[in-house]
Amino acid sequence: AQTVTQSQPEMSVQEAETVTLSCTYDTSESDYYLFWYKQPPSRQMILVIRQEAYKQQNATENRFSVNFQKAAKSFSLKISDSQLGDAAMYFCAYRETGANNLFFGTGTRLTVIP
Amino acid sequence: DTAVSQTPKYLVTQMGNDKSIKCEQNLGHDTMYWYKQDSKKFLKIMFSYNNKELIINETVPNRFSPKSPDKAHLNLHINSLELGDSAVYFCASSLLAGAARGQETQYFGPGTRLLVL
Repeated sequence: AQTVTQSQPEMSVQEAETVTLSCTYDTSESDYYLFWYKQPPSRQMILVIRQEAYKQQNATENRFSVNFQKAAKSFSLKISDSQLGDAAMYFCAYRETGANNLFFGTGTRLTVIP
Repeated sequence: DTAVSQTPKYLVTQMGNDKSIKCEQNLGHDTMYWYKQDSKKFLKIMFSYNNKELIINETVPNRFSPKSPDKAHLNLHINSLELGDSAVYFCASSLLAGAARGQETQYFGPGTRLLVL
């Protein structure tokens, strides 16, 4: 079974600084999707960024970027110029292409220090 | 416009009661899901429906019964509620896996916090 591991239960960052959240996953598949979702205190699950495994280029969305290392099965999220509104739980998720099940990691709670 | 909506947002009830949570999406997706997030924030899929048909049914007590009247709605009915059912339940939707490459992202509703007393 696919597993997603987030080894950092909690992280903190100074406002305007950069932080990287780690995620590793285990799969025998070569074609899949990876996602980072953000869950603020409002509980809403918000898609932050996604990566398709067949694309070598790392995905970026404004201040959010990923470092996708397929051979190492690593998918970290970098948040640049951190803002107070970035404070939330961040979940890494995996989905095999052609399958409907989304596997989540256990989450990393990010605190942004003013 | 809300893409994936759930009602109610909060549900407090007594053990043994039967309750339902409703979910609707207006994204034109054909696949909908129910996830459970426990007290430790762990999210796990419960069910998935495609065009009103069940396609994923994880190990969930049969007290939980999803119902999909049409592809835009997936409701979750829970019988004989137990203390351990207390959690946040998320509905999500997407296109069916494999339907359109790059269009399979799941979008989540706001969640329903269920508290069983």
